[in-house]
Amino acid sequence: DTGVSQNPRHKITKRGQNVTFRCDPISEHNRLYWYRQTLGQGPEFLTYFQNEAQLEKSRLLSDRFSAERPKGSFSTLEIQRTEQGDSAMYLCASSQGNSNQPQHFGDGTRLSIL
Amino acid sequence: AQKVTQAQTEISVVEKEDVTLDCVYETRDTTYYLFWYKQPPSGELVFLIRRNSFDEQNEISGRYSWNFQKSTSSFNFTITASQVVDSAVYFCALRSVDSSYKLIFGSGTRLLVRP
Repeated sequence: DTGVSQNPRHKITKRGQNVTFRCDPISEHNRLYWYRQTLGQGPEFLTYFQNEAQLEKSRLLSDRFSAERPKGSFSTLEIQRTEQGDSAMYLCASSQGNSNQPQHFGDGTRLSIL
Repeated sequence: AQKVTQAQTEISVVEKEDVTLDCVYETRDTTYYLFWYKQPPSGELVFLIRRNSFDEQNEISGRYSWNFQKSTSSFNFTITASQVVDSAVYFCALRSVDSSYKLIFGSGTRLLVRP
């Protein structure tokens, strides 16, 4: 069990640029989740996948955000035309099929918008 | 509406003291799960415990114990004989099985254990 892996750990970019983050879940986990965490707050749900299907999206996920999980394994989260308010830690989690199984989180990608 | 409230923003204790972190939740669903996660300075959220809504039995794991009371919608976490390594932000979270797989987190309690 290698855990949930996220890349990059840190991303600094100028406002208006596009960024993409990657998440590799624990290999046998079929559910994958994205959360956003700002300073001093708990994580907020963005979206989740069951295998390759995106089953739920938060209202926080504006049209500048898109997430994919093309083969039901790794996932990418892209933010287009970044804004200052996008600065946050982006967390990925995965879990096994049963609803009572806990979500296991990666180390996150910290995004800073200049 | 579903909500998790952690009223204690920050707690500071001296090593070996016992400390209790409070968590109050709101949900209309009858089937739900409650979780505690630890977030050390490195940033990774570490799963500590899961409870389902039908199991109010308290649980102890080493120096950690959890008190779940449906009557007061609370799921409190106690660390006995705290250690410096316990310093972290602790999050309580809720998932209602009937509506979604997403976790609803509280705002967290920062625990500082001083030597």
